[in-house]
Amino acid sequence: EVQLLESGGGLVQPGGSLRLSCVASGFTFSSYGMNWVRQAPGKGLEWVSLISSSGDKTFYGDSVKGRFTISRDDSKSTVFLQMNSLRAEDTAVYYCTKLLWASRTFDYWGQGILVTVSS
Amino acid sequence: SYVLTQPPSVSVAPGQTARITCGGDNFGSKSVHWYQQKPGQAPVLVVYDDSDRPSGIPERFFGSNSGNTATLTISRVEAGDEADYYCQVWDSSSDLVVFGGGTKLTVL
Repeated sequence: EVQLLESGGGLVQPGGSLRLSCVASGFTFSSYGMNWVRQAPGKGLEWVSLISSSGDKTFYGDSVKGRFTISRDDSKSTVFLQMNSLRAEDTAVYYCTKLLWASRTFDYWGQGILVTVSS
Repeated sequence: SYVLTQPPSVSVAPGQTARITCGGDNFGSKSVHWYQQKPGQAPVLVVYDDSDRPSGIPERFFGSNSGNTATLTISRVEAGDEADYYCQVWDSSSDLVVFGGGTKLTVL
């Protein structure tokens, strides 16, 4: 059974940093791309970032480009999202997803972790 | 940037058929995926690559893509189908993933 467990969320002040982690199990982690999607309170889904299975290709949504960095550690079956220069509008539930690379399909989702940016 | 347009809401009586549309340019060249999100839960993939269903998704969920509109059709709607539904594509020209704004399905 595929499981994705996010951690690292919480309350952070504007301008601060936070690193999210997502531990995966139930599939061969190193063979799949991984991805982050977020959802602001009461709003729709917004794509954040994705990383290829080899880690050599990364892509970012326009609203986070230059501030967020996605990475992975296959030895720990973990994908990370380093978030810097956080803004109030980054407040959201962040979901980790498994990625089907060819069509950029998100076939499994974690339960999500809340990030709140506020003073 | 690429935009996907969904109706904000769709209402249907139990047992009837619900159709949720997703509009975008040049859809014929893109694969459309659909996600269901029930209140307080993470999204679930219900249709991928226009019309394929993941294992465990009932045959009542059917996807199609024609011209500039993709459609998620849910037949014999049940109360448990009440949820927000999102379409999603990958715009290969910009290497960006795009979600539609979501459609709230209400079962009357």
